[in-house]
Amino acid sequence: SAVISQKPSRDICQRGTSLTIQCQVDSQVTMMFWYRQQPGQSLTLIATANQGSEATYESGFVIDKFPISRPNLTFSTLTVSNMSPEDSSIYLCSVEGYQETQYFGPGTRLLVL
Amino acid sequence: AQTVTQSQPEMSVQEAETVTLSCTYDTSESDYYLFWYKQPPSRQMILVIRQEAYKQQNATENRFSVNFQKAAKSFSLKISDSQLGDAAMYFCAYRKAAGNKLTFGGGTRVLVKP
Repeated sequence: SAVISQKPSRDICQRGTSLTIQCQVDSQVTMMFWYRQQPGQSLTLIATANQGSEATYESGFVIDKFPISRPNLTFSTLTVSNMSPEDSSIYLCSVEGYQETQYFGPGTRLLVL
Repeated sequence: AQTVTQSQPEMSVQEAETVTLSCTYDTSESDYYLFWYKQPPSRQMILVIRQEAYKQQNATENRFSVNFQKAAKSFSLKISDSQLGDAAMYFCAYRKAAGNKLTFGGGTRVLVKP
């Protein structure tokens, strides 16, 4: 399985500001995924990021709020823009590896005050 | 759209005993994959076991095994000889073969009593 790291591991932010989360993989992958896990909830897919093309967003998520970059095959960023307390969540990136299995990074815990 | 349902918000098990977590899903696809992930307090999502829909044989991984009933669209996870380290949230997930999106169930919290 791939080794995935995320930065920052956690952050406390003020409302109205933006935070960029980084996801680094130790091998080249075609697709990277970004998920949100709200407190006490399950994971919800935000978007799928392919290298060299626009990210594909799921219903309820828009690019202006969650812009994503995918500059190469081992790295992606997710920005949470103009944050409100409702954005307080864990944000996880994942990649698809062997046998169509997704492997996850350790997550970024975000608290918006 | 595919949906995944975990009807047990929380399950408690005595150490060394067995616990079974239920998962049902709704799909019109015939080829797909099912997964169980574990999320301990560290919040890291850890793959427990995977099952390919076209395989009738139930997957096993050490103390973890599944009961896959394709016609009933059921995919339960059995944890045998439960250990304190098994305490976590467990999520069932579905992925259709011709795609890459994972759809997760709501999760089941497993408590292990010493």
